[in-house]
Amino acid sequence: TQLLEQSPQFLSIQEGENLTVYCNSSSVFSSLQWYRQEPGEGPVLLVTVVTGGEVKKLKRLTFQFGDARKDSSLHITAAQPGDTGLYLCAGPNAGNMLTFGGGTRLMVKP
Amino acid sequence: GAVVSQHPSWVICKSGTSVKIECRSLDFQATTMFWYRQFPKQSLMLMATSNEGSKATYEQGVEKDKFLINHASLTLSTLTVTSAHPEDSSFYICSARAPWGQPQHFGDGTRLSIL
Repeated sequence: TQLLEQSPQFLSIQEGENLTVYCNSSSVFSSLQWYRQEPGEGPVLLVTVVTGGEVKKLKRLTFQFGDARKDSSLHITAAQPGDTGLYLCAGPNAGNMLTFGGGTRLMVKP
Repeated sequence: GAVVSQHPSWVICKSGTSVKIECRSLDFQATTMFWYRQFPKQSLMLMATSNEGSKATYEQGVEKDKFLINHASLTLSTLTVTSAHPEDSSFYICSARAPWGQPQHFGDGTRLSIL
């Protein structure tokens, strides 16, 4: 079973601070995806990383895929209250079904 | 972009009632649809996978007679929670995927509250 562990589980920071969320596994993934979910809504895809060592940027969000494709990180620069939400990493298992990490709940206080 | 519509978005009903949730892919043909359950402050847990025209594949621990899934067309899958009880209260989310290798697109979820 391919498991994804996210850390931290919960993060509360002040507006303007930087933060990093981690997604780790003992298994190799062909790709990893990051989603953000707001209360009462479905997850929204932020990015897909495919190549080991790949770095993708989405405005103030920087996503990195580990060289061995077993881990990924999400770094947010100068966090804003609008970044508040549940961040989920997910990767396809052998049956091409998504396995989700436990999520990181981020709260950015103004 | 690909859109998945889920209906209803919120339903409240009495214990013992059966509730049907619809998941539609609006602008693409979804060969596979997935149903997830999410408890407060937790991640998504896959309940079942359905392929158009065939029986759903349920994850371990999910009662197939309790959660009936029908995927009769390439744009519609339904989840029926039969004889719902308060412990079935949860946030149910569907996703849809075009042929193999394509990304999943998620609906906005259905909040089910059983009194």
